[in-house]
Amino acid sequence: QSALTQPASVSGSPGQSITISCTGTSSDVGGYNYVSWYQQHPGKAPKLMIYDVSNRPSGVSNRFSGSKSGNTASLTISGLQAEDEADYYCSSYTSSSTYVFGPGTKVTVL
Amino acid sequence: QVQLVESGGGLVKPGGSLRLSCAASGFTFSDYYMSWIRQAPGKGLEWVSYISSSGSIIYYADSVKGRFTISRDNAKNSLYLQMNSLRAEDTAVYYCARDFFLSGLDYWGQGTLVTVSS
Repeated sequence: QSALTQPASVSGSPGQSITISCTGTSSDVGGYNYVSWYQQHPGKAPKLMIYDVSNRPSGVSNRFSGSKSGNTASLTISGLQAEDEADYYCSSYTSSSTYVFGPGTKVTVL
Repeated sequence: QVQLVESGGGLVKPGGSLRLSCAASGFTFSDYYMSWIRQAPGKGLEWVSYISSSGSIIYYADSVKGRFTISRDNAKNSLYLQMNSLRAEDTAVYYCARDFFLSGLDYWGQGTLVTVSS
C-alpha cells in the first residue's frame, strides 16, 4: 500500500491562489473518482474539504475546489486567507479495497 | 449533530493489547461504513481499517493485518479496534471516522492517544 505523493509545502500571499498536487497510480487516484482532501489544523482532527474528486461538503467554502487528470488529483485554494494555513492531505480508494493517504502538504500564508 | 467520541487509549508495553472504542451519535450508525485512521506524533495520516455497515466487509492496512481487529455493535452505536501485539511504531493518535460510502471520511472524532513504550 504505497502512499500518494504530495509536495511537502506550498505557500502564497493572502488573496492568491495555490494548488496542491496528489500523484498516485492507475490503481488508486487514476482508477477511481474516490479522491478526497482533508484540512488539519495543529492539534485538531482532520476535516473533509473535498470528496469524489471535486465535490464540496455542505459548509465548506467555495474557495476550495478539486480536480483530477490521469493519476494526479489537485486541490486549489482561491483567495487565500490566513485561516487556510494548515496541513492538507489527499486520500484515494485503491484497487485493493483499501484507502491510502498522501504524506500531507503544509500550506503557509505569507 | 453527528458526534464521534473515541476512548480506550493509553500507555501499553510492547507486545501488549489495547481495545479502542468509538461512541457514535446524531446519525443512523447502522447505515454507514466506519474507519479507523491513525497519526503518529508529528507525522501524517495513515488509514488503518474499515468495516461495512453490517460488519460483513472488513479491510486492514498491511501494517496492522493479523494484529488488529475492527468490529462494531450497531445496537450500541459503537465501533471498536482490538489491538494486539503492539509495537512502538503503533504509537499514534487513533481517530474513528464515518465513511461516506467510499467518497470520503466526513466526520471524525477527536482522537485517542495510544503510546507503546516500555
